[in-house]
Amino acid sequence: GAVVSQHPSRVICKSGTSVKIECRSLDFQATTMFWYRQFPKKSLMLMATSNEGSKATYEQGVEKDKFLINHASLTLSTLTVTSAHPEDSSFYICSARETRDSRQYFGPGTRLTVL
Amino acid sequence: AQKVTQAQTEISVVEKEDVTLDCVYETRDTTYYLFWYKQPPSGELVFLIRRNSFDEQNEISGRYSWNFQKSTSSFNFTITASQVVDSAVYFCALSEVETSGSRLTFGEGTQLTVNP
Repeated sequence: GAVVSQHPSRVICKSGTSVKIECRSLDFQATTMFWYRQFPKKSLMLMATSNEGSKATYEQGVEKDKFLINHASLTLSTLTVTSAHPEDSSFYICSARETRDSRQYFGPGTRLTVL
Repeated sequence: AQKVTQAQTEISVVEKEDVTLDCVYETRDTTYYLFWYKQPPSGELVFLIRRNSFDEQNEISGRYSWNFQKSTSSFNFTITASQVVDSAVYFCALSEVETSGSRLTFGEGTQLTVNP
């Protein structure tokens, strides 16, 4: 089956720093990738939809200047949390949609802790 | 707007019991997909099933079975003879093809605990 990786799997940073999370589709091309955020004991909330070669579409209430998304190739999308604060601590999950299929394949997630 | 409701927040059963996880959805699209995912403590989502809106046949895969009923907008998931390894959070999700560009909307999840 299709595999999506995320790096890093876990990151701890100081308040005010920026953190970049990578999402890669390893064995297929993904014109569309999605970024989700999950708080403890909560559901996944879609943050943004990332299309290769164009600007990301952010969900209502998500600050685009804080969560920068770049989808420069068909196999890589990055999420940068800028000037991170403790309230940004969360589990971030990406998914990639194979070009030929509507199904999304999920990465293993990145646990961000901001001190 | 699309919406998924999983009314059961937590379920606790004893090993070998059967358990059904409920999922009710709302959509205005005629073409959509329904999913079930398992999320163990590690956090990684495990895909279980995808069903399109035109296929109401029930499906069985080992100890897992799914009951899709468009008349009641439900897509329930049953685990037969539950095992401790089934303990996880289970999410039902909906993807509208026509209006939402296949974006996934998740339910709130059901925490299943299977006790030995």
